[in-house]
Amino acid sequence: SQQGEEDPQALSIQEGENATMNCSYKTSINNLQWYRQNSGRGLVHLILIRSNEREKHSGRLRVTLDTSKKSSSLLITASRAADTASYFCATGAGTALIFGKGTTLSVSS
Amino acid sequence: EAGVTQFPSHSVIEKGQTVTLRCDPISGHDNLYWYRRVMGKEIKFLLHFVKESKQDESGMPNNRFLAERTGGTYSTLKVQPAELEDSGVYFCASSSRTASNSPLHFGNGTRLTVT
Repeated sequence: SQQGEEDPQALSIQEGENATMNCSYKTSINNLQWYRQNSGRGLVHLILIRSNEREKHSGRLRVTLDTSKKSSSLLITASRAADTASYFCATGAGTALIFGKGTTLSVSS
Repeated sequence: EAGVTQFPSHSVIEKGQTVTLRCDPISGHDNLYWYRRVMGKEIKFLLHFVKESKQDESGMPNNRFLAERTGGTYSTLKVQPAELEDSGVYFCASSSRTASNSPLHFGNGTRLTVT
């Protein structure tokens, strides 16, 4: 059954703006991960946040995790056209990651 | 370090035919996963190998799907006989530790179209 649910399903912004994507999940987790998928390519790991962490940064990415609300957010600052892709959250509890449907981000120059 | 490679990149077959997808994980990665994405839906977990053993195959849709990982290296996923609803992109991923503890490295996927 689906675990992660991203919101919004699609997001269109201009270069330089910030993009925020949200993820909600249903069960207890060990960690939550964000991935990016460019069209026709595989998923690329962006960031992993553990259940005992609240915030994590990596370059222009900032991820927050609220286990009490079972939600996470991914913020991309100063977006670029190259950030155009689908973004997925995935939760790890057992041995496998469970993915949502993703958010499609379009950044126009 | 070579990444995860999948073959073929695309496959178009007719309903009732057989197709075999192959995945070569990153060398040394004991954990190998198969996922599938049907258009517009979530990326769905199919199964997980640890070396040559099936750790979790709870996501396999039915007995028309058979996955193997002989010798704990590359893996194959066979669909026999294929049905229209099997169309989608099949992703393979590998990791040195289980997904609950580490990121997954994905291949570019095999796009399967059943007509």
